Amino acid sequence: EVQLVESGGRVVQPGGSQRLSCSASGFSFGSYAMFWVRQAPGKGPEYISSISSSGGSEYYTDSVKGRFSISRDNSKNILYLQMNSLRPEDSAVYYCVKEEAISGLVIPFVSWGQGTLVTVSS
Amino acid sequence: DIVLTQSPATMSVSPGERATLSCRASESININLAWFQQKPGQAPRLLIHGASTRATGVPDRFTGSGSGREFTLTIASLQSEDFAVYYCQQYNNWPPYTFGQGTKLEIK
Repeated sequence: EVQLVESGGRVVQPGGSQRLSCSASGFSFGSYAMFWVRQAPGKGPEYISSISSSGGSEYYTDSVKGRFSISRDNSKNILYLQMNSLRPEDSAVYYCVKEEAISGLVIPFVSWGQGTLVTVSS
Repeated sequence: DIVLTQSPATMSVSPGERATLSCRASESININLAWFQQKPGQAPRLLIHGASTRATGVPDRFTGSGSGREFTLTIASLQSEDFAVYYCQQYNNWPPYTFGQGTKLEIK
């Protein structure tokens, strides 16, 4: 069974930094691209970043480019999100999400963790 | 970026009735559309991918249809556990993957 467990969420001051982690189990972690999706209170989900299975390719949505950095350690089955220069609008639940290959097609947001809450406030 | 517009924003339906939710894309996304269900305090759950393929374990009262720019999620004979927020999401043109703003399905 796929398990994704996020950690690291906390209250951070504006301009501060925080690193989120996602511990993965139940599948061959190094074979799949991984994603971070966030959801602000009362809002819909928002894709923010993704990383290829090898870690060689990274993608970011415009609102976090230059501030957030995604990485992975395939030897430890952990996905990371380093968040710098945090703003109040970055306050959200951050989800770690896994893709899946179904009938030869790659579907991006199949399995989700339970999320970790980041609050940016002074 | 591709914009997904969902309608209506809120829908009030009685248990046992049918609900039809719409999602319109700002440009063609072929059939690269997914639907998610989200209940309070929970992560989104994948219901439909490829516009019409039910995910593992999803009851057959959930039906997705459409292609190009217009998509529909139909829930036949609503059960109490179906009252939730539903999001569509495209994975045709990325980054970024984009989500609709959601349709809240509430009990009438």
